[in-house]
Amino acid sequence: GQSLEQPSEVTAVEGAIVQINCTYQTSGFYGLSWYQQHDGGAPTFLSYNALDGLEETGRFSSFLSRSDSYGYLLLQELQMKDSASYFCAVQGTGGFKTIFGAGTRLFVKA
Amino acid sequence: GAVVSQHPSWVICKSGTSVKIECRSLDFQATTMFWYRQFPKQSLMLMATSNEGSKATYEQGVEKDKFLINHASLTLSTLTVTSAHPEDSSFYICSARVAGPPTDTQYFGPGTRLTVL
Repeated sequence: GQSLEQPSEVTAVEGAIVQINCTYQTSGFYGLSWYQQHDGGAPTFLSYNALDGLEETGRFSSFLSRSDSYGYLLLQELQMKDSASYFCAVQGTGGFKTIFGAGTRLFVKA
Repeated sequence: GAVVSQHPSWVICKSGTSVKIECRSLDFQATTMFWYRQFPKQSLMLMATSNEGSKATYEQGVEKDKFLINHASLTLSTLTVTSAHPEDSSFYICSARVAGPPTDTQYFGPGTRLTVL
């Protein structure tokens, strides 16, 4: 089976840096993705890591270590609009279906 | 980026009726679409994987006869909730897969909020 673990909640202040960790167990592995979802909205794609290392996209970066079955999402220069739920998601075997973690709710305070 | 639409965005129906939800990829062809269900404050639960021209693959615990999925073309997949009951009330979200390289991305529709009275 497949499972993912990520913290349920994180609180940070505007301008700060926050890291959301994700560990996973999966039979087969193709990649780790991160999605952002605001209340009432649909998830939006943030990043995808298939290989070890850091991927940077503006204020957001994502890291993957395949040997440790671990990844993280790094959000820099936090803004109030970053308050949302963040999901890590893993693609294992079986048609590239994606299984989502339970999500981390990020609260950004002034 | 790729755009996925869903229709309707919300629906209220009586218990026992059937509801059809459409998912369309507007500016690209999607050989694979996924259907998720999400309860408030919870994660997305994969219901089924829909491949164009073939039968959908359902996740364990999802009733095939209750949640009918049809993927008749490369741009359209439909989910029909048959004989809906209040416990089927949820946020239903579809996504379309765009395969890499260098990335493998899912583009999500805006979701359909179903309320069964």
